[in-house]
Amino acid sequence: GAGVSQSPRYKVAKRGQDVALRCDPISGHVSLFWYQQALGQGPEFLTYFQNEAQLDKSGLPSDRFFAERPEGSVSTLKIQRTQQEDSAVYLCASSFGGGGAGELFFGEGSRLTVL
Amino acid sequence: DQQVKQNSPSLSVQEGRISILNCDYTNSMFDYFLWYKKYPAEGPTFLISISSIKDKNEDGRFTVFLNKSAKHLSLHIVPSQPGDSAVYFCAPGSSNNDMRFGAGTRLTVKP
Repeated sequence: GAGVSQSPRYKVAKRGQDVALRCDPISGHVSLFWYQQALGQGPEFLTYFQNEAQLDKSGLPSDRFFAERPEGSVSTLKIQRTQQEDSAVYLCASSFGGGGAGELFFGEGSRLTVL
Repeated sequence: DQQVKQNSPSLSVQEGRISILNCDYTNSMFDYFLWYKKYPAEGPTFLISISSIKDKNEDGRFTVFLNKSAKHLSLHIVPSQPGDSAVYFCAPGSSNNDMRFGAGTRLTVKP
C-alpha cells in the first residue's frame, strides 16, 4: 500500500497474555520507529530500526517488550505477559533515510487494551 | 517526555483568527524541529519543519518560528480554519534519529 499499515487496529488482551503487533512500513523506507502513546500524552519513543538492525531500544519499558525487523521491512512488536499499564496506542512510523532530520510517516496505530 | 513541553493542552480560536501553538524544549542537541497534526483515530501526519540554522519557515497558512537561545518554538496558523481542528505535536529531533514528542495541544477552530 501507499502508507504505513498496522495490524491489528484494536486488540483486547487479558492480563498475562502475550500480544504481537505488526507494522508494514512504506516500501523502501530504511528507518522504522515504534512509539507508545498513552491517553492524553504524546508519542513516547520505544525503539528504532535501520533496515534490519535495531539501533536503539532504549525506550522499551521492560524486558517484556521485544521488537524485530528480520528482513528489513515488516516489523513486529511483541509484548509478553501484558499488564494493565501496557494499555496504549502503539504507533509505527517509517522514514526514507537512514540519517536524522527525516519526516516520519505514521500508521494509524494499534490500540491495545489490557483487562 | 519532559524534554519537550507543550504547556497548553488546549486552544480555542475563532475561524479567520490566528492560532499560536507553543513548544519549549530542554535538549540543546536537537537540531531540527517538526510539527505533526493528528486527527482522531489516525496517526500523526507531518505538517511543517524547521532546521536549527533558521529562525522562521513558512508554508502557506503555517509558519514556524524558532528561538534557539530560548529553546522555544511556535507554530502560527493564519487564518485558522475549522479543518485545522486537531491535536498538534511538537517533535524536536537530532541527527541520531532521536525524535521526541510533546504531549500535544488540542486546537479547536470555531466557525
